[in-house]
Parts: sequence; C-alpha cells; structure tokens
Amino acid sequence: DTGVSQDPRHKITKRGQNVTFRCDPISEHNRLYWYRQTLGQGPEFLTYFQNEAQLEKSRLLSDRFSAERPKGSFSTLEIQRTEQGDSAMYLCASSYGLAGGTGELFFGEGSRLTVL
Amino acid sequence: AQTVTQSQPEMSVQEAETVTLSCTYDTSESNYYLFWYKQPPSRQMILVIRQEAYKQQNATENRFSVNFQKAAKSFSLKISDSQLGDTAMYFCAFMKARRGSNYKLTFGKGTLLTVNP
Repeated sequence: DTGVSQDPRHKITKRGQNVTFRCDPISEHNRLYWYRQTLGQGPEFLTYFQNEAQLEKSRLLSDRFSAERPKGSFSTLEIQRTEQGDSAMYLCASSYGLAGGTGELFFGEGSRLTVL
Repeated sequence: AQTVTQSQPEMSVQEAETVTLSCTYDTSESNYYLFWYKQPPSRQMILVIRQEAYKQQNATENRFSVNFQKAAKSFSLKISDSQLGDTAMYFCAFMKARRGSNYKLTFGKGTLLTVNP
C-alpha cells in the first residue's frame, strides 16, 4: 500500500484557465474527501464520496468546482475559470470510516495551485 | 455546526522538554471523536492521536498524550521529550460519530510548533 497519492503536486496557471487534480486513495478505502487549505488556516472540507456517490458538498464548492469519482476508485477535482482566490493547497484523504476502522483519514501530500 | 479553536498560532520548545498545545471545541453532539494531526513542512498530514468522547481515559501514544475535558470541551496535546522531528503544524480536529454521518473532519487553524536544539 503506497498511501494516498495526488497529482500534480504543483500547478501554476493563469486566471481563467481550467485545472484538474487527481487523487488515488488507498485501494481498500471506500470514503474519499477533498479539502482546501490556505496559508495559515486549517483544511476546510469541500466534498465527500462514498464509493462513487458524491454525498456531500460544502458551500465552499462553487459552480466552478466539480468532483468525480468514477467506479469508486480515483477521484478528480476540476476548477473551471480559475480565480486568484482559488490559490490554495488541495488535499485529498481517504478512509474506511468508523465501521471498518478508527475513522482516521489518510491524507495525500496535496496539490498546490497558484493562480496568476 | 461544530467549531474547533486553537488559540496558539505558534509555539516553541527546547529539545527534550515538554510542551502542551491547546484546543477547544464546540458541539451539540454527544458522540464524537477528537484527533490531533501533524503536518510537517512540505509533507503530508499524519495522525498523532485519537480520542473517543465516550472514553474517560485520556489517550496516549508514546510521547504524545491528551488531556480530554469533556465538560469543558477541551482537548489539549502534550508532547514529552520533544524531538527536532516534532517540528510541524499541529491541527486539532473533530469528527461526528453519529451513524450515517460522513465522518468528515472539522479542523482548527493549527499551531506551528518549533523544536529548538
């Protein structure tokens, strides 16, 4: 098990461009989370998948954001028409939940987005 | 909604000494979990310690222990025999344990701990 992996690790883009981040969770984990972390802040919840179903979306997730988890495996987070305020670290995490484990979320190293 | 407050943005400690990081939370839930996560510079966040709210006994993991005061909604982390590798951002986090919830974490803003040689 190689842990949660995220790609790309860093992305620099111009305002108005679209970007997509990918997350590969730990293979046995059915739950997948996206968080956003800005400088000096704790991670903020964006969205949650159980298997392939997106079960919760934060109000932070504007219409420009879309997330998918086809076949309940990897997940993508797309940001359309990026704005400078989107600059942040995007963290992916996966877990078994409490039924199959301790509830611990396992995090990837994050994808850092810089919008110029 | 749950809130988690970490009132110490930064702390420092000398190697081998003990330091305590503070965390308070607010919730109306009766069943929940509390976590401390560590985020080293440019590295992924990892779990340090976990506490179930229904357990009165404070959790310990080697040099890390918590002081869980449920009535006061306080959850502090004590690091004994601090090591240089403990230098990191520490986040306190809350998770509802209600059946059917999403088991997502709500984080505080973090405390940057620096261990000095």
